[in-house]
Amino acid sequence: QQPVQSPQAVILREGEDAVINCSSSKALYSVHWYRQKHGEAPVFLMILLKGGEQKGHEKISASFNEKKQQSSLYLTASQLSYSGTYFCGTGSLYNQGGKLIFGQGTELSVKP
Amino acid sequence: NAGVTQTPKFQVLKTGQSMTLQCAQDMNHEYMSWYRQDPGMGLRLIHYSVGAGITDQGEVPNGYNVSRSTTEDFPLRLLSAAPSQTSVYFCASSYSDSQNTEAFFGQGTRLTVV
Repeated sequence: QQPVQSPQAVILREGEDAVINCSSSKALYSVHWYRQKHGEAPVFLMILLKGGEQKGHEKISASFNEKKQQSSLYLTASQLSYSGTYFCGTGSLYNQGGKLIFGQGTELSVKP
Repeated sequence: NAGVTQTPKFQVLKTGQSMTLQCAQDMNHEYMSWYRQDPGMGLRLIHYSVGAGITDQGEVPNGYNVSRSTTEDFPLRLLSAAPSQTSVYFCASSYSDSQNTEAFFGQGTRLTVV
């Protein structure tokens, strides 16, 4: 079952912040975040593992709440280059070594 | 180092035709997988493989077959194409447990079934 992402789409002005959420109905082992530009392949941003710390990547960071089976991606002081579709991918606690299931995506547009 | 290479980039099929989408990686990755991407549906897992000779089904396996005879290659076969299989297909690979490590994606194959 796919994780659910919210919001489905968001429009920002340069310099504004955004939060993208990812929720699963299954106990999670890992959460991945990817960004996809239009017409291109998804590109890896970061992985958060069960029991791990909040991760950061330039002005993009993420958290993983194991109890709520949720992850959030934080984009601060957004830049035009942040535009794209963001996907979370989840690994199940009880299916390690197996499937990585992605959410439906969140389309982010950053305007000048 | 080419990474993950998919061929063809574009394909138009008639309903009922069969074809094979090719995927090759040169990073010696154990894990490979196929996803389809449709508007509003995100990336949905079709089949995946944890190593040569081992494959398993994903979320939407019906109408597709895979095999993994070598570490490098993971072809996806459409047995009898249907319009519902019109989509963009992505192949991905990763070093080991796909849940622990970064997945590298190919550039995709855009398939249209008429």
